[in-house]
Parts: sequence; structure tokens; C-alpha cells
Amino acid sequence: EAQVTQNPRYLITVTGKKLTVTCSQNMNHEYMSWYRQDPGLGLRQIYYSMNVEVTDKGDVPEGYKVSRKEKRNFPLILESPSPNQTSLYFCASKQGSTDTQYFGPGTRLTVL
Amino acid sequence: DQQVKQNSPSLSVQEGRISILNCDYTNSMFDYFLWYKKYPAEGPTFLISISSIKDKNEDGRFTVFLNKSAKHLSLHIVPSQPGDSAVYFCAAGPSGTYKYIFGTGTRLKVLA
Repeated sequence: EAQVTQNPRYLITVTGKKLTVTCSQNMNHEYMSWYRQDPGLGLRQIYYSMNVEVTDKGDVPEGYKVSRKEKRNFPLILESPSPNQTSLYFCASKQGSTDTQYFGPGTRLTVL
Repeated sequence: DQQVKQNSPSLSVQEGRISILNCDYTNSMFDYFLWYKKYPAEGPTFLISISSIKDKNEDGRFTVFLNKSAKHLSLHIVPSQPGDSAVYFCAAGPSGTYKYIFGTGTRLKVLA
């Protein structure tokens, strides 16, 4: 089954404790992206990657890092999480030339 | 400044009637537009798209209309069904882009 998986689905952590949210897709997609969803703000893009070792900033990259060492994986790293990073995070992937972006189920992060 | 706006946070419609969801954009470079549907505890799923060379695109009960001069698009659902109850996001960007800007979403409730 074609899918995008994220782990963990739920995470409660404390300020400053480094964490990684993993994202994996099994569709051999070139493009992957991370979004956060906040009330009244919709979905905002954090980072995206057009292929292995190619990443670029989205609209709200501050406080986040990403890496793309393999085509299937695109982890999101919060080196020093802060409460304003409490949000619902979505990973997505798509083939380069198509418009259908497949989203993962989301990771709800709470930073205390 | 929000480049993609969905001014109605919520909409209630009777089953069988038409649902009309609206979206406005400000960037004239945007020429590709998409609608996504999101159920609770799931990631958004692609619904329908339209490019600026067209002013209408249909897929079953879903039709998207684009008014380029007004920088406005709308999603029509006819007839509406209870299973259509979800949050609907519009997204826009230059064609072939990897950076779509999402609106804040409209929560549609279809009443049985």
C-alpha cells in the first residue's frame, strides 16, 4: 500500500530536549516536505526536499532542521524545542511533476 | 501577509444541497490551484486541482471554478453528503512548484 508514515504520532516533551520526527514514504517519490498546522494559520511549509541531499527552506524554517540522505526518508529535527513549536506536523511526498501530494497521518507535538 | 485566504472558517449545509467553499489569493504568479480534504486524525488528501489555463474542472460531485481576474476560486460539492464533512484547504502556487501556499481551511458540516 502506497503510504507516508510518521513516527511518533504523539509526543510530549520539554523545552530544550532534542527530538526527531521520522517520515518515510514507499512510493519512490522525489519530493518530500514538512508542514505544521496551527489553529487559524492553516498548513505552513517548514522545509522541503526535491531529491536526495537537496533541501530548501519553506515559510517557517526557524528552529527546525532536516536531512535527506535516502530517497524514502525525510526526518524533521528540533535541536532545542520551544513551546511555540507545539503543533500538528505533517510530512508529505509527491513525484516531481505531478500535483498529487500524499500526506502522512500527522504527529502531534507538545513542548512544555 | 496571507497570500491564500479562506475567509469562512466554517460552513453548514443540508444533505443533498450544494456546498460552496471559497478561496482568494493575492499573488498573480500563482497559476496552479488545489483543494485538499482533511478528516480528524488524518493527513490531508488531494481532492481536485485546476490550472490557470482553465476556468473549471470537474470530478464527479466536485467542481472547482477559477476566476483569474478576481483571483478567486471556489469548490462546489453537489450533492453534499454527510461523508463530505471535513476541513477543506485550498492551496496555490506557480505551476511545477514545490512550494504551495495553503489557506487556513474551512470546516464543512453536512447535516443529515
